[in-house]
Order: sequence, then structure tokens, then C-alpha cells
Amino acid sequence: SAVISQKPSRDICQRGTSLTIQCQVDSQVTMMFWYRQQPGQSLTLIATANQGSEATYESGFVIDKFPISRPNLTFSTLTVSNMSPEDSSIYLCSVWSLSGNTIYFGEGSWLTVV
Amino acid sequence: AQSVTQLGSHVSVSEGALVLLRCNYSSSVPPYLFWYVQYPNQGLQLLLKYTTGATLVKGINGFEAEFKKSETSFHLTKPSAHMSDAAEYFCAVKDAGGTSYGKLTFGQGTILTVHP
Repeated sequence: SAVISQKPSRDICQRGTSLTIQCQVDSQVTMMFWYRQQPGQSLTLIATANQGSEATYESGFVIDKFPISRPNLTFSTLTVSNMSPEDSSIYLCSVWSLSGNTIYFGEGSWLTVV
Repeated sequence: AQSVTQLGSHVSVSEGALVLLRCNYSSSVPPYLFWYVQYPNQGLQLLLKYTTGATLVKGINGFEAEFKKSETSFHLTKPSAHMSDAAEYFCAVKDAGGTSYGKLTFGQGTILTVHP
């Protein structure tokens, strides 16, 4: 199985600021994924992060709001820019493990925007 | 596009009773299927998965699920509920082929409550 660490685990942010979430995996993976879980809702894919290329965003999500970096095969960051209370969510990093033929998630980063 | 339907946003059972959480998907091609559990204030934990092979899959904590292609279903069951099973459960699907390496489509989730 893949072990995924996310930082921060929780944060309270002021509206208008930006926050960068880090995701570290204990093994090399081709693709990493960022999901959002709004309060009381299911998970929605924000983007797919590939090493060495720009992230691929899902409908409704844009790079200016959620810039992503993927500098190597074990690490990615997601920035939530110019935050508003509507951005209060859990942000989860996930990876597809070829060896395990499954998808693993980090513990999530719980953001509250005030 | 894939869609996943979990029937019942809330399910309540008594301790020791059968747990049945329903999941149907829309794909015409059998996808990979997953059940995840989310305990309060925690992230997602994989319960079980179906990729290929035996259609009845066993997972952690006594849960199992059966893939039924004809019904496009992947219902989650546990013979006897424990209080510790109280959580939210998510069904998710991934296209089996192509380049959708890790893109999951999630159902809306089912909150399981277990009464003493």
C-alpha cells in the first residue's frame, strides 16, 4: 500500500489569503490527484497532477484558483488562492498504485475560511 | 460520463443486524469498483475493491461486496453491525481502461448509524 502524508492537516484561514497544501507519497507514482470534499458532500476531483507537465483540471476548476505543482514523482502541492468561505472544505490527495491496483488517499487537509 | 448512485443517504441499523449499503453505477463497461469509509473527522480508508476475477470480494472489518454486472451494482454488506461501524461510506468507480489511472467518480455517500 502507499502511505500518503498531507500538510497541514487542519488550518483556519482568513478570506483573501492563499494556502498551499503539501502531499508526500512514500513511493514513486505516475499520477497524483487532488479532490475536494465540501461540508456534507461527496468528493469531487479537482485535477490530475503529472510530473513534468501542467496539471489537468476538471470542469469547474481553474489553474488560477487551484495552482498545482508536481516537481517529482513523490510530491505535489495544491494552492487554494484568494480564499473565500465557500472554499472551506477537506482537500484530499490520492494516488493510483500500480502494484496494488488500487487508489489510496491521504488523511486530508481540513480548511476553514473565515 | 460515469455516475454512481448510492441509495439512501442515511441507513440506520441495530447492533448485530445486517448492514446493506447499495451502490449502482452507470458504465456499460465493467469498471473498477471501490468502497471507502470515512470515520468522523478522518480521511478515507479503503474497505474493499473489485477489479477483475471473483465477483464477491471481502474487505476489512468483516465487510464484503458483490459485483453484479447484469444489475450494474456493487452493494456493500456486513452480516452483523458493530457500534464501531458508524461512519460514512462512499462507493466509487474508476474506468478500467484508458488513461483514467486514478480518476474516481464517487457516490453521494451513505451515513451508517448503529443503534445499541
